[in-house]
Amino acid sequence: DAKTTQPPSMDCAEGRAANLPCNHSTISGNEYVYWYRQIHSQGPQYIIHGLKNNETNEMASLIITEDRKSSTLILPHATLRDTAVYYCIVREETSGSRLTFGEGTQLTVNP
Amino acid sequence: NAGVMQNPRHLVRRRGQEARLRCSPMKGHSHVYWYRQLPEEGLKFMVYLQKENIIDESGMPKERFSAEFPKEGPSILRIQQVVRGDSAAYFCASTIGAGPDTQYFGPGTRLTVL
Repeated sequence: DAKTTQPPSMDCAEGRAANLPCNHSTISGNEYVYWYRQIHSQGPQYIIHGLKNNETNEMASLIITEDRKSSTLILPHATLRDTAVYYCIVREETSGSRLTFGEGTQLTVNP
Repeated sequence: NAGVMQNPRHLVRRRGQEARLRCSPMKGHSHVYWYRQLPEEGLKFMVYLQKENIIDESGMPKERFSAEFPKEGPSILRIQQVVRGDSAAYFCASTIGAGPDTQYFGPGTRLTVL
């Protein structure tokens, strides 16, 4: 699986948009970009994933650059409960492919 | 519409004892993954199972660790003769099928070895 690079930490004001970047310059054509988060040692929570096109769901939006070498997770209106470690993961489109977690980004939402 | 369930949530064992961790996948899911998170470290893949089959155990330690997912009942991660270094959070995730389906995680079992 391709390696991802994320900033180790970010801060965001409550109510503002949180934009979390991820670099995956070695991504290959059959690899998806997944985002998970882990709130204070709870089980990882699925957020969103995409292949080429931008995606949006009730939790977040995922913007993938045209060359697919980077992406941005957007939490449109961050709340204190969004404070967590956010993991950007590139995963092959194959049967039973594991998730390879990196260091992630510690997002702290401040009041 | 229960999610992935794991029990026990906390488990304390003395060195040399056995630990059994259970994972019940989401309803309709027949594939289970186990991951381990050592203190202050990221999650690491251990094993991937379907009902009655181990598909990928490349992340499992060579000794003392085993996993199963019987036709009926939960998936079990078994650690024999536990050592202090086994203290960690163990998470399982489940998917519907064999494709690149989204993995949904349980709350984890925190194992402490005294």
